[in-house]
Amino acid sequence: KQEVTQIPAALSVPEGENLVLNCSFTDSAIYNLQWFRQDPGKGLTSLLLIQSSQREQTSGRLNASLDKSSGRSTLYIAASQPGDSATYLCASETPPHGGYSTLTFGKGTMLLVSP
Amino acid sequence: DAGVIQSPRHEVTEMGQEVTLRCKPISGHNSLFWYRQTMMRGLELLIYFNNNVPIDDSGMPEDRFSAKMPNASFSTLKIQPSEPRDSAVYFCASSPQPGTGSEQYFGPGTRLTVT
Repeated sequence: KQEVTQIPAALSVPEGENLVLNCSFTDSAIYNLQWFRQDPGKGLTSLLLIQSSQREQTSGRLNASLDKSSGRSTLYIAASQPGDSATYLCASETPPHGGYSTLTFGKGTMLLVSP
Repeated sequence: DAGVIQSPRHEVTEMGQEVTLRCKPISGHNSLFWYRQTMMRGLELLIYFNNNVPIDDSGMPEDRFSAKMPNASFSTLKIQPSEPRDSAVYFCASSPQPGTGSEQYFGPGTRLTVT
């Protein structure tokens, strides 16, 4: 059974810093790795999706990398802003069960960017 | 598009009562997922449907939990009888199609408190 771990569980940084969030998974036979953002009291918003054949994806100040062989992914946030404060979750899409693949989530990293 | 719609947003009930959570997926999406989020266990998949048919309900914790999808635009998750340990945020998500690389779109969640 796939297990996804995220460290750190919480992170507090001053505005402007570059930061890295880590995600590891136990089963490297994944289809893709996804990063989500969750604001307090809200649902999840998809940020980046890296297919298993890809090494990284970029969107604005966000860059996500994937190393399947080592079971790791990182989310890099450049020049952090207070608006980046949220919980970031990673999820791996694993091979089909009953014909359809599913997402396994980590518990998230709670990020606080102070002005 | 209004996105995935869930109701109610908050539910407070007493132990032993029946609870029904509702979800309207994004129009045209063929897959629907129910998740539960707690501090201890993170985000867990309870059940998912494809074309209104339940595909995998192995995540449903107990027989007290049941889910239905009578048509493509509506799904319910029912807990009967409810217990304090069922307190959590329940998310519904929909996806255009099952399989690899298909993003899931999450609703805002229903925060359930069972006293």
